Amino acid sequence: NAGVTQTPKFQVLKTGQSMTLQCAQDMNHEYMSWYRQDPGMGLRLIHYSVGAGITDQGEVPNGYNVSRSTTEDFPLRLLSAAPSQTSVYFCASSFFGGSGNTIYFGEGSWLTVV
Amino acid sequence: DQQVKQNSPSLSVQEGRISILNCDYTNSMFDYFLWYKKYPAEGPTFLISISSIKDKNEDGRFTVFLNKSAKHLSLHIVPSQPGDSAVYFCAASALTSGTYKYIFGTGTRLKVLA
Repeated sequence: NAGVTQTPKFQVLKTGQSMTLQCAQDMNHEYMSWYRQDPGMGLRLIHYSVGAGITDQGEVPNGYNVSRSTTEDFPLRLLSAAPSQTSVYFCASSFFGGSGNTIYFGEGSWLTVV
Repeated sequence: DQQVKQNSPSLSVQEGRISILNCDYTNSMFDYFLWYKKYPAEGPTFLISISSIKDKNEDGRFTVFLNKSAKHLSLHIVPSQPGDSAVYFCAASALTSGTYKYIFGTGTRLKVLA
């Protein structure tokens, strides 16, 4: 029962580099999302997906790209890393459709951009 | 525009006493509310939830109260234990653009003193 798995756990990037944060879930959830957590800002939604081939923007999408080719995977790409993207990133998933769905989080990916 | 607000960044409570964490929201379309608990270096874990058609939900030591007219919810922990020391996030969901989005507050750090 792995739930939501994120890799890598820690990463240091140089400004301008690109990278992909991986997220996989084994609960057959249609809904997957990415959040970032910053001090005093709570959890802010970056992008989300309601099924394979369907993605949409959240509150803070700039500088990030996503795709959803399978139900299980939802990678988050940083196109050209900036120091402002230093943060903790959480992937989450849930069943889709109707209210009352609990979302489940991965353990987080700590990203530092220098 | 912060739709979900946790105005107390931190709270200290003596072991055995009641902890009350508060959350206010502005969007009357929110119809499901959740509380998450987060330990350092881990992902948020689901604690308890409540539908907008109810005003109270209880699970062991945890009770969530919802006051829709005041757009306010609270989490009561009785009795508080040192292991409850963590950051607590409230979240609310509403149907937006054909899907449910989850909006999180900024979190309250609870410290239970032994």
